[in-house]
Amino acid sequence: SSELTQDPAVSVALGQTVRITCQGDSLRTYFASWYHQKPGQAPVLVLYGKNNRPSGIPDRFSGSYSGDTASLTITGAQAEDEADYYCNSRDSSGNHLWVFGGGTKLSVL
Amino acid sequence: EVQLVQSGAEVKRPGESLKISCKGSGYKFTSYWIGWVRQMPGKGLEWLGIIYPGDSDTRYSPSFQGQVTISADNSLNTAYLQWSSLRASDTAIYYCARLEMATMVAFDIWGQGTMVSVSS
Repeated sequence: SSELTQDPAVSVALGQTVRITCQGDSLRTYFASWYHQKPGQAPVLVLYGKNNRPSGIPDRFSGSYSGDTASLTITGAQAEDEADYYCNSRDSSGNHLWVFGGGTKLSVL
Repeated sequence: EVQLVQSGAEVKRPGESLKISCKGSGYKFTSYWIGWVRQMPGKGLEWLGIIYPGDSDTRYSPSFQGQVTISADNSLNTAYLQWSSLRASDTAIYYCARLEMATMVAFDIWGQGTMVSVSS
């Protein structure tokens, strides 16, 4: 199995840029995907693959990779971006298993 | 519209059995993997397992193997998650989600979640 590690909490001033990271061995092989989740709601996919945004996701969300770490960057954070953010990827065993990171609570100040 | 609609909230006693559902619409149900995700109260997302309705290929997280059973009925475009004997620790929200095909990593469509409460 493999694990994905995220910082528990990150804060950003309104309109500033913030990066949320996800670290794990499987990210050397597989893409990460990113979700935000607001209280009482289901998760929503915001980024996947190399740097793909689903329809309806603003272009202030972008992604990048370096070694075993994937990053989600929000450029010009808005109040509505305050949420829990989760990364996920495939398990590095190659056995059709998936894994989620522990989540990062983003506060927009 | 592509969507996954889950069955309603459940309140159960320890030891009881339960089967919750996830109905897909707006796409070819048999062509996409459907995964299940647990979220315990105040906690993060945990991947339980996944099924490919096209051939019923099913995989489980080692943490949940033997604890739950995932199945699908293609005639109803519905996936299921079931327990034979619930525990209080099964109390959580359970989400189903569709695996997108391009990267086979991201879950692009999510159900609204089913709250399962287990208490004596």
